[in-house]
Amino acid sequence: DGGITQSPKYLFRKEGQNVTLSCEQNLNHDAMYWYRQDPGQGLRLIYYSQIVNDFQKGDIAEGYSVSREKKESFPLTVTSAQKNPTAFYLCASSAGQRTGELFFGEGSRLTVL
Amino acid sequence: GESVGLHLPTLSVQEGDNSIINCAYSNSASDYFIWYKQESGKGPQFIIDIRSNMDKRQGQRVTVLLNKTVKHLSLQIAATQPGDSAVYFCAENSGNQFYFGTGTSLTVIP
Repeated sequence: DGGITQSPKYLFRKEGQNVTLSCEQNLNHDAMYWYRQDPGQGLRLIYYSQIVNDFQKGDIAEGYSVSREKKESFPLTVTSAQKNPTAFYLCASSAGQRTGELFFGEGSRLTVL
Repeated sequence: GESVGLHLPTLSVQEGDNSIINCAYSNSASDYFIWYKQESGKGPQFIIDIRSNMDKRQGQRVTVLLNKTVKHLSLQIAATQPGDSAVYFCAENSGNQFYFGTGTSLTVIP
């Protein structure tokens, strides 16, 4: 079945460590996105990519990095520079930035110990 | 940045009643709107969308109404069922990116 797969679903990290969240899609979508979700807040955009080898910062990119080496994959690295990394992270994709709905993965919950 | 707000952060309805969830948006240039449903610990699921050239769109048990004059969006769920209990988000898109509301938590009382 087509969809977006995020892994791991749960991740624990010690302060000072970098962690990478995986996002893979088999929908043949050009655009991919990473959002952060915190209690009582709407989804906030971290990074997005419209095509392979290109990505742009969203509203809260500080402390995060991404790559887009393949159309299907858009991993997110939460670096030690991110001051408050504990959150629920959602990856999404769409056929194009101006085209249609966002399809979401099931999310990855990161907890910093 | 954009502001997308939701009226009433929580809503409780009796099973079988109709539910109405409201959303206000601020960008008059937004031309595409989506309602999402999110169950606890899961990713948001698409419910229904509407473009700015329409003021009403119906799906299975759901209807979205768009009032561009007052920049207001609503989601109506008919004959609400226990499985409808979730958080509902609206999202707007003006062509650059999506902006999401904070969500309304819907609880269906059996």
